[in-house]
Amino acid sequence: KQEVTQIPAALSVPEGENLVLNCSFTDSAIYNLQWFRQDPGKGLTSLLLIQSSQREQTSGRLNASLDKSSGRSTLYIAASQPGDSATYLCAVRGTGFQKLVFGTGTRLLVSP
Amino acid sequence: DTEVTQTPKHLVMGMTNKKSLKCEQHMGHRAMYWYKQKAKKPPELMFVYSYEKLSINESVPSRFSPECPNSSLLNLHLHALQPEDSALYLCASSQGAPTYEQYFGPGTRLTVT
Repeated sequence: KQEVTQIPAALSVPEGENLVLNCSFTDSAIYNLQWFRQDPGKGLTSLLLIQSSQREQTSGRLNASLDKSSGRSTLYIAASQPGDSATYLCAVRGTGFQKLVFGTGTRLLVSP
Repeated sequence: DTEVTQTPKHLVMGMTNKKSLKCEQHMGHRAMYWYKQKAKKPPELMFVYSYEKLSINESVPSRFSPECPNSSLLNLHLHALQPEDSALYLCASSQGAPTYEQYFGPGTRLTVT
């Protein structure tokens, strides 16, 4: 059974710092991995999706990497801003395609 | 249009009530999902519809009854709920191959009294 863990559970940084969020999964036979952002009480916003054949994806200040063989993904946020404060979730899609297994999330607080 | 809409935004219901949650997407996605999310926990998958047919039911109690009237609409009918069913209910839809990327709605905050 796939298990997805995110470290740290919570992170507080001052504005302007570069930061890394970690996601690890136990079964390396994944189809792809999706990073989401969730603001309190709101839905999930898709940030980046990495196919299993890819090593990284970039969107603006965000860069996600994937090392399938070691069961790890990282989300790098450059020059953090208070508006980046949210919970970040990674989710792994197996070869069944339809099911996402979510990580436990990292709550990020960026202070001005 | 990359939007999934959900109504209502908030719902308070008694344990004897019957209510429905609605979800709509116009992205041409043929898979739609219901998730339940408790505070500070990740979303838990409840149901998946693929081409308007129920393809996954994650052993959800029968007091939750999904319905997919057409490829754009997804409903979740609620009956005789318990207070522990209070949660944020999220709807999502997804593209097909090659990414199956999921897009989520804003959720319905359900409180059962």
